[in-house]
Amino acid sequence: GQQLNQSPQSMFIQEGEDVSMNCTSSSIFNTWLWYKQDPGEGPVLLIALYKAGELTSNGRLTAQFGITRKDSFLNISASIPSDVGIYFCAGLGTSYGKLTFGQGTILTVHP
Amino acid sequence: EAGVTQSPTHLIKTRGQQATLRCSPISGHTSVYWYQQALGLGLQFLLWYDEGEERNRGNFPPRFSGRQFPNYSSELNVNALELEDSALYLCASSLGQADQPQHFGDGTRLSIL
Repeated sequence: GQQLNQSPQSMFIQEGEDVSMNCTSSSIFNTWLWYKQDPGEGPVLLIALYKAGELTSNGRLTAQFGITRKDSFLNISASIPSDVGIYFCAGLGTSYGKLTFGQGTILTVHP
Repeated sequence: EAGVTQSPTHLIKTRGQQATLRCSPISGHTSVYWYQQALGLGLQFLLWYDEGEERNRGNFPPRFSGRQFPNYSSELNVNALELEDSALYLCASSLGQADQPQHFGDGTRLSIL
């Protein structure tokens, strides 16, 4: 079945630094989504991407839908302490309605 | 506007019992999805309901079932509970089209003793 490989698994950065994480797949996805999950809460949608090559920003966050439709990246600029959490990529593919999730990137920001 | 709401927040059961988890979607959303988030296994797709019908099902045994009501709320039922069913069960909702982004609730933590 479809699988997503998300990297890195964890990141420890200083406040103010930029962050980059990415997801790759052996299969094509039609929609890419990026979520953030805080402890004790459900994932919160950050950015949705619908077309190959699409580059979308949401404040300090920027994400791109890869040209091959098999990858996506998320950048966070000028990180702040509240960026701490687990970031997940997710793809919608040929199995309708089913989101396939990456393993998550645990982000720690030191003040 | 209220987001996706789930109840109960926590549920403790013993092996062999049955559990019922509930979800209310965002107003205007007709699709409801269920996911299992178990330690070390990430988020796994369970079920998708739209307009009262089951539209897709993940790789889970038949003792995981559910339904969607006319008001678009949904129940997830897990029968014959096993220890490995302990997990956070997340519900999401979206507009009816299959490619719409899914918005999640905060989940029900199911613990099997």
